[in-house]
Amino acid sequence: ETGVTQSPTHLIKTRGQQVTLRCSSQSGHNTVSWYQQALGQGPQFIFQYYREEENGRGNFPPRFSGLQFPNYSSELNVNALELDDSALYLCASSSGGAGRNTEAFFGQGTRLTVV
Amino acid sequence: RKEVEQDPGPFNVPEGATVAFNCTYSNSASQSFFWYRQDCRKEPKLLMSVYSSGNEDGRFTAQLNRASQYISLLIRDSKLSDSATYLCVVSTGFQKLVFGTGTRLLVSP
Repeated sequence: ETGVTQSPTHLIKTRGQQVTLRCSSQSGHNTVSWYQQALGQGPQFIFQYYREEENGRGNFPPRFSGLQFPNYSSELNVNALELDDSALYLCASSSGGAGRNTEAFFGQGTRLTVV
Repeated sequence: RKEVEQDPGPFNVPEGATVAFNCTYSNSASQSFFWYRQDCRKEPKLLMSVYSSGNEDGRFTAQLNRASQYISLLIRDSKLSDSATYLCVVSTGFQKLVFGTGTRLLVSP
């Protein structure tokens, strides 16, 4: 067990709806990154939060947004869901922050299906 | 061109075999290199970091060639429990991990 927990584990949404996914980072970790993993692909970096500020973003549209809270937990919000948003969404926590690379621990993921 | 390229496999090997995975990366500014293991429908887990000098952890050996931008993973004496997808991962040092598609390994009795 990594100590990183995500909720919910599974979710089914309709195209056009909005979704919020949650992540509790491991104790002592101040950095949370979100990844999208489509079937048969490797995880793709969405964005990262360090001490409540966005600290880097991948090639995802603005309808993907996030938050990090003072306790370093995080949310990923996706608006106007599309069928291609169906994927496993992974949260990773680490203690590095900007400029440092330390081991990232992944949560078990949220499997989102858009119909 | 993808930033990290791997042969997707699957690699089908018998127990006890030695198997090697390779990957190449395109960003010469990459600073950190890893192999992650992902079991079916589970999260990725760090298998080992990869250093220029090469490193070994039991039956697993990883090598990095910065000049060729090439990373390898060797698994000796394969076990049934080694069946998984192996993800090659690079980072430029700002916590953003860039994953390859993964190579699927199936070890059979």
